[in-house]
Amino acid sequence: AQSVTQLDSHVSVSEGTPVLLRCNYSSSYSPSLFWYVQHPNKGLQLLLKYTSAATLVKGINGFEAEFKKSETSFHLTKPSAHMSDAAEYFCVVIKTGANNLFFGTGTRLTVIP
Amino acid sequence: GAVVSQHPSWVICKSGTSVKIECRSLDFQATTMFWYRQFPKQSLMLMATSNEGSKATYEQGVEKDKFLINHASLTLSTLTVTSAHPEDSSFYICSALRAGGGTDTQYFGPGTRLTVL
Repeated sequence: AQSVTQLDSHVSVSEGTPVLLRCNYSSSYSPSLFWYVQHPNKGLQLLLKYTSAATLVKGINGFEAEFKKSETSFHLTKPSAHMSDAAEYFCVVIKTGANNLFFGTGTRLTVIP
Repeated sequence: GAVVSQHPSWVICKSGTSVKIECRSLDFQATTMFWYRQFPKQSLMLMATSNEGSKATYEQGVEKDKFLINHASLTLSTLTVTSAHPEDSSFYICSALRAGGGTDTQYFGPGTRLTVL
């Protein structure tokens, strides 16, 4: 079975400081992992995805995530937060080759001016 | 590219009535679409998988007779909430599967907020 755990329901950072959103996964198979962002009144947008290629994945808007099998983690990072990064972020796992996505409970990122 | 739209974006209806929500892939064909439900401050829960030209596959606990799904074309799937009740009030989100280019990626619509009075 596949599942993800987002360790923080809410993260608050100051503008210009680093962002760390934590995600741990559980999968019986080699997983594919995604990070999606949801802005208010907008659809979910794919930030990045890991599909068993390079363990360090670079996404849009300066975000990146590192797949660490030994720690079963896929944490999302950004060196410097921007006000526009304030949103809800979801870590998602999928069984490779399948289509069903399993969403984490989400982390709300607040960026303080 | 890879834009998915939903209509309506917000709907309010009386208890007992039916509501239809449309999901369209605007610039690509989608043989598979998904319907999710999101409660306030909670994550998305997959309701059903919609395949073009065939019956939808429902997740455990989802009433197929209440949530009717039709995927009549490669760019349109509809979700009809029949005999809606206040507990059906939620945020409904669809996604469309864009095939090719390695791992298939789902593209999400902006969601439809349903309020049942």
